[in-house]
Amino acid sequence: SAVISQKPSRDICQRGTSLTIQCQVDSQVTMMFWYRQQPGQSLTLIATANQGSEATYESGFVIDKFPISRPNLTFSTLTVSNMSPEDSSIYLCSVEGDRNRYEQYFGPGTRLTVT
Amino acid sequence: GIQVEQSPPDLILQEGANSTLRCNFSDSVNNLQWFHQNPWGQLINLFYIPSGTKQNGRLSATTVATERYSLLYISSSQTTDSGVYFCAVERNGSGNTGKLIFGQGTTLQVKP
Repeated sequence: SAVISQKPSRDICQRGTSLTIQCQVDSQVTMMFWYRQQPGQSLTLIATANQGSEATYESGFVIDKFPISRPNLTFSTLTVSNMSPEDSSIYLCSVEGDRNRYEQYFGPGTRLTVT
Repeated sequence: GIQVEQSPPDLILQEGANSTLRCNFSDSVNNLQWFHQNPWGQLINLFYIPSGTKQNGRLSATTVATERYSLLYISSSQTTDSGVYFCAVERNGSGNTGKLIFGQGTTLQVKP
C-alpha cells in the first residue's frame, strides 16, 4: 500500500486563524479524501479531491471554510479557515489502494487544537 | 442516507480471549472495510470485504451482504489489539466514488 505522510502532525492554533494541512503520497493516486474526526467520535468525510477538478464537498462542509488544493497526483492540502474551538479535531487524508482502488489507506492524521 | 451500527460500543477482554464485533448496515453496499485505530490515532486497513470471508492471522471477517451485516473475529487477543475498530461502507448505487460512511466504532481494551 502507499506510504502517506501528513504535516503538521499536530498543532495548537488561536481562534480566527487558518491552518493548512499537507498530505503527501509516495505514489500517484487518482482519488484522495479528507476526513474529520472530532474528539471521541467517528470519522466524517469532508471532501473528495481528484486531480484536475474541483474538490467535491459533503453536506455540512463548504469550500470557504475548508479550501482544498490538489495540484498533482501525489499531493493535496486542506486548509481549516477562521478556526473556532469546534474545529478541534483530527484531520486525516486517505487514498485509494494501488492493488485494489476500492480499499482506502489513511495518513497518520493531524491533531488540531484551537484555543 | 445509509446507517452503520456497530456493536458492542465497548469491550474489555483478558489477553488470550476471543471476541466478535458486529457491523449492521441499512442498505446494500458495494464496499465494506474494517479498520483498526490504534491508541496513537493511526488507522490501519484490516479487511476489504463487501461479501464473503477473509482471514489474516488471528483476525478474520465475514460479510453477509444479503442480510446486511459483517462480523470481525479476533482470536487469542493481545494487548496490541487494543484501540477502536471501525466498519465503513459505501452504499451500492452511489457510483463507486470511494465515499465511505463510518460506524461509531467498537472500543476494545485488552488487559494483560
